[in-house]
Parts: sequence; C-alpha cells; structure tokens
Amino acid sequence: DIQMIQSPSSLSASVGDRVTITCRASQTITTYVNWYHQKSGKAPKLLIYAALSLQSGVPSRFSGSGFGTDFTLTISNLQPEDFGTFFCQQSHSAPFTFGQGTMLEIK
Amino acid sequence: QDQLLESGGGVVQPGRSLRLSCGASGFTFSSYGMNWVRQAPGKGLEWVAMIWYDGTNEGYVDSVKDRFTISRDNSKNTLFLQMNSLRVEDTAVYYCVRDLGLGTHFDLWGQGTLVTVSA
Repeated sequence: DIQMIQSPSSLSASVGDRVTITCRASQTITTYVNWYHQKSGKAPKLLIYAALSLQSGVPSRFSGSGFGTDFTLTISNLQPEDFGTFFCQQSHSAPFTFGQGTMLEIK
Repeated sequence: QDQLLESGGGVVQPGRSLRLSCGASGFTFSSYGMNWVRQAPGKGLEWVAMIWYDGTNEGYVDSVKDRFTISRDNSKNTLFLQMNSLRVEDTAVYYCVRDLGLGTHFDLWGQGTLVTVSA
C-alpha cells in the first residue's frame, strides 16, 4: 500500500498569513494527489485534484504543487473560514490512502 | 444540485450485520464510480471500498475484505454497503463518495452516517 505522510500535524496561523502543508508518498505517484478540507462535524470538501488543479468553486488562494513523491498545498492570504483539518490523498492505486491530516488553527 | 444522502447507520453488536444505503440525486448516477470512505471518531479518513460506474468491478481495503460488499442499483440511483461480521474497530462515520473513475478524485461527499459497533 502507498503511505502518505503529511506534515505538520497541526499549525496555528493568523489571518492574512501564507500557510504550507506538505505530503510525501512512499512511492512515486506522478500527480495522483488530491487535497481536501474538513470542518468539524462536516464531510470533507475537495480543494485540489491531480496535484495542482483547483476544484470548481474553491477560492484561488488555495494552490497545489508537486510531482512524484513530494506535494504541497499552499493557502495564501489565510481567511477565518480556513480553519479545520486538511488531508492529502493518493488516487494512483487502491487502497486510496489518505494522509493523517493537518489541523489548522486560526490565531 | 448534486447530492448524496446516506442512511442505515446505527448501533450494532460485534459479529452482527448492517446495510448502508446512499441515494444519489441531481446527476447521472450510472456515469460515476462510487466509494465508501469512513472516519473513526477523532481519527483520519480511510477509504473502504469502490465500485465502477457499471458495477462490473469492485475493490476493498484489506481490513474489510470478505466481510463488506459494495453494490449499486443504477435503476434506483442507490449505492449500498453490506457489512457483515462487524467489529468494534469498524465504528466510524461512513461517507458515500463520488468519483469520475479509477485514478480520479472524490468530488462529491454525502453527510455521513454513524455506525457504532458495541456490545
């Protein structure tokens, strides 16, 4: 199985900050990485797919990058509604594993 | 508006069975692959099972193989998860999730249904 190692596990940032979350795959997965945002008690929401494509309706302050094994989610100009947990996920091969999550707290 | 609505969760004893359903609306259900993803209380996300748009292929995480069965009825726009021999560690919120096919992303999620396995 492909393991997805996410870092950091938690972080705290202020409104307007730039935040970066990374994900490392245990084997090369080209661009088969997706990013999701989950608020407490709610279902996850797709943000970025295929490593760098912005899902329809998602604000442009979210962006993704990476290829192979190392991937990054960047949030520019952090907004109060961005708190919650972010997950990466590989869609290269089953089982479609997720990272352990990054909990973002807004200062 | 595209929607997925799960039902069938509840409290069940270890070793017993439960069947989850997921009704789809607002889109052509038969054109999409479907999945179940679960989240244990306070934990991360775990992909559980997938089924192709036409039901001809399925896949499972190892921990549920031979216990869970995913199926679909495209005539009724409904996805199912038959869960047998339930274990305490199967306790989780189960999400019904849409994808565009193998190697693609999960673009639509239901609100989830809680399954609690407890004596």
